[in-house]
Amino acid sequence: GQQLNQSPQSMFIQEGEDVSMNCTSSSIFNTWLWYKQDPGEGPVLLIALYKAGELTSNGRLTAQFGITRKDSFLNISASIPSDVGIYFCAGHGSSNTGKLIFGQGTTLQVKP
Amino acid sequence: EAQVTQNPRYLITVTGKKLTVTCSQNMNHEYMSWYRQDPGLGLRQIYYSMNVEVTDKGDVPEGYKVSRKEKRNFPLILESPSPNQTSLYFCASSLSRTAYGYTFGSGTRLTVV
Repeated sequence: GQQLNQSPQSMFIQEGEDVSMNCTSSSIFNTWLWYKQDPGEGPVLLIALYKAGELTSNGRLTAQFGITRKDSFLNISASIPSDVGIYFCAGHGSSNTGKLIFGQGTTLQVKP
Repeated sequence: EAQVTQNPRYLITVTGKKLTVTCSQNMNHEYMSWYRQDPGLGLRQIYYSMNVEVTDKGDVPEGYKVSRKEKRNFPLILESPSPNQTSLYFCASSLSRTAYGYTFGSGTRLTVV
């Protein structure tokens, strides 16, 4: 089945630094979504991308839907301690079941 | 408040003892789904439901059952739990299968000993 490869697996950064993570697939995705999971909670949607080439921002977060429709990246600028958590990319693939396919997640730790 | 509610949040059980994890949403969503989260594997779909009385298998359905008798409820049933079902489980819902983005519950951490 379709899979998403997310990298890096984990990051440990200093407060104020910028962060970048990405997701790739060997097959085309129709949408790309980025979620954040706080400790002890379910994932929450951060950004949704619907068209190839689309670049969308949400505060300090910016995400892009790759032109080839096989990749996406998420950037976080000027990180703060509350950015700590697990970030997941997800996408709707070729099936019509409504299934969201998730990457393995990037664990972000921010040192004050 | 629009939400997906799962119960219980934490559960420790013994091998073979049937259990049910409940899930309820108050958003009149058609589409509901169960995922399990394991370290290094992300979230994998167990079962999904496109509407009342319409359910189907996801990627890892073995050992699980579901039912959708009412629109708001989508319980996950483990008839005979085994240790490899120890995991963090999430219920999620969306307006329809073509609506993008799920709303997730807060999760159920299950340990089978």
